[in-house]
Amino acid sequence: GQSLEQPSEVTAVEGAIVQINCTYQTSGFYGLSWYQQHDGGAPTFLSYNALDGLEETGRFSSFLSRSDSYGYLLLQELQMKDSASYFCAVRRDDKIIFGKGTRLHILP
Amino acid sequence: NAGVTQTPKFQVLKTGQSMTLQCAQDMNHNSMYWYRQDPGMGLRLIYYSASEGTTDKGEVPNGYNVSRLNKREFSLRLESAAPSQTSVYFCASSEAGGPWGNTIYFGEGSWLTVV
Repeated sequence: GQSLEQPSEVTAVEGAIVQINCTYQTSGFYGLSWYQQHDGGAPTFLSYNALDGLEETGRFSSFLSRSDSYGYLLLQELQMKDSASYFCAVRRDDKIIFGKGTRLHILP
Repeated sequence: NAGVTQTPKFQVLKTGQSMTLQCAQDMNHNSMYWYRQDPGMGLRLIYYSASEGTTDKGEVPNGYNVSRLNKREFSLRLESAAPSQTSVYFCASSEAGGPWGNTIYFGEGSWLTVV
């Protein structure tokens, strides 16, 4: 089976850096993905890590350690528009399974 | 560029009624999915279709049926709606495999209330 664990909520200050962690247990692993969802909207793809290390896309970076079954999403220079829920996800065979999501609150 | 289109966007049903959620994608993707989203529960996979002509159960299939009508369309049917099926439903699609198979594209969601 598979399960993903991530914190339910994280709070940070505008302009700061925040890290959202994700640990996973899955039999068969093809990589870890991250999605962003604003209130009332649909999830949208942010990043994907198949190999260990850091992937950077603008203000967002994602990290994976396959040996630790652990990854994180790093958001830099936080903006109010980054207030959203963030989901990690893994692919197993033909299925994509999501964590329960982390609600990011940003304080001015 | 429409992407993934699902209808209806909002629906209120009475307990016991049936309805079908429609979904179509124009990205020539092989894989399609139906998820439901409830507060604090994240996105839970109901059914998926790896390719035209195949469907498989996900994490929470009870009370639902699906049809992969063709490569573009994947419908979700509630035969006898129950209040526990009140949720937001998302249809999604992706390439079949490889690194691109890990990126899925969602429709805008369908808000279903069962009273």
